[in-house]
Amino acid sequence: DAGVTQSPTHLIKTRGQQVTLRCSPKSGHDTVSWYQQALGQGPQFIFQYYEEEERQRGNFPDRFSGHQFPNYSSELNVNALLLGDSALYLCASSLVSSSGNTIYFGEGSWLTVV
Amino acid sequence: LAKTTQPISMDSYEGQEVNITCSHNNIATNDYITWYQQFPSQGPRFIIQGYKTKVTNEVASLFIPADRKSSTLSLPRVSLSDTAVYYCLVGEGGSYIPTFGRGTSLIVHP
Repeated sequence: DAGVTQSPTHLIKTRGQQVTLRCSPKSGHDTVSWYQQALGQGPQFIFQYYEEEERQRGNFPDRFSGHQFPNYSSELNVNALLLGDSALYLCASSLVSSSGNTIYFGEGSWLTVV
Repeated sequence: LAKTTQPISMDSYEGQEVNITCSHNNIATNDYITWYQQFPSQGPRFIIQGYKTKVTNEVASLFIPADRKSSTLSLPRVSLSDTAVYYCLVGEGGSYIPTFGRGTSLIVHP
């Protein structure tokens, strides 16, 4: 049973460029959330997707956008990259109907903006 | 969302039992308590989840008092590989949004 998988694992972009990160949820999960984690900080919620729609959004600018596909996989897009966007981007999946709150995370995508 | 409070850091030695307590005074009736472990440059890993009393699995125990306003993660006989950041989260259902604090940085010494 594959867990949450993310790609790429590492990438370097130039300020002003755009980046797309990808996530495949754990088998059987239908909800995908994205988090940004700066060095030394806890993960910060970006947004959550369910049934191909954005359900909730954290305090992130519109430069951050996403998409969920019919197979529940998801993409995170960041436009007009800033140096401050350098961070570990985490994808987490869950099942909306589950009674507990078990959320499974991928290993993340390290983004460095230079 | 229930706010959680944990110690910023803890130190222990190999073979000792470590207890990390999390306060969540405004926990709601339907909220579960979940603990995650995170190593540097990796995603958080689910450790244990509970609703009330005591839960035990192969890696940890979770103690929740009757008022559920706090919880304690217990790691028996820690090893160097248990050095990590531990996060306590509170929320309900599969669609809730876990809010991470800074977690507890546990350092296990030889």
